[in-house]
Amino acid sequence: AQSVTQPDIHITVSEGASLELRCNYSYGATPYLFWYVQSPGQGLQLLLKYFSGDTLVQGIKGFEAEFKRSQSSFNLRKPSVHWSDAAEYFCAVEVQGAQKLVFGQGTRLTINP
Amino acid sequence: DAGVIQSPRHEVTEMGQEVTLRCKPISGHNSLFWYRQTMMRGLELLIYFNNNVPIDDSGMPEDRFSAKMPNASFSTLKIQPSEPRDSAVYFCASSPGTPWGNIQYFGAGTRLSVL
Repeated sequence: AQSVTQPDIHITVSEGASLELRCNYSYGATPYLFWYVQSPGQGLQLLLKYFSGDTLVQGIKGFEAEFKRSQSSFNLRKPSVHWSDAAEYFCAVEVQGAQKLVFGQGTRLTINP
Repeated sequence: DAGVIQSPRHEVTEMGQEVTLRCKPISGHNSLFWYRQTMMRGLELLIYFNNNVPIDDSGMPEDRFSAKMPNASFSTLKIQPSEPRDSAVYFCASSPGTPWGNIQYFGAGTRLSVL
C-alpha cells in the first residue's frame, strides 16, 4: 500500500536560516507528489507538485522540492525562512487512477526570531 | 472563484445530537473529498465522490457517519448521533477529477466540538 513518511514531527529554525523538510514515500509506480502548507486555523494550500520531467520543482513562497527516485524522497527546501513560514507542512502522494491523496503525518515548523 | 466553501466554520453540539456539515466545491470540479483532522490521527480521508457518485467510503468511521452529494455544487457530511470522539476539524476538498495529476483545493474547514 502507498504510504508517506515525514520523519520530523516538529522543526525549529531561526528566521533567515535555510530549511529542509523530509518526505519519503512508498509507491510501486511513478508517483505524483505534492507539498501542502496549513497555517493555523486554515485549510491546506498547495505549495508545489511533481508530476514528471525536471526533478527540481519550484513552488510558491520561494519553496522548492527535489524528487529523488533512488531514495524515494521528495524533500522540501527554502534558502531563507521568514516568520510567516511558521505552519504545518504535509507531503502527499496521489494514488494513480484513484484520484485520492495519501498524506504524511505533517511537520510543524516553528520560526525563532 | 471563491474556492471551496464550507459551513459552518465552527460547530458546538452535545453528545447524541445530529450534526450536518456542508460543502460547496469549486465550480467545474468533478471530484469532492471529505477529510477529518485530529492531533492523534492526522489527516484522514473519509470519503470521496467523482461526478456525484461515492467512489471510496472506506475511511468512514462507522454507520453514524454518512455523506451525500445530491448535485455537483453541494455535499453534506452528517453525523448521527454525534459523540465526543468525533470532535475534530473536518475539511472538504475538490479537484478537477482528471485521470491523473489532480490538485486538491481545500476549504477552510469546520471545527466540530461534541460535548
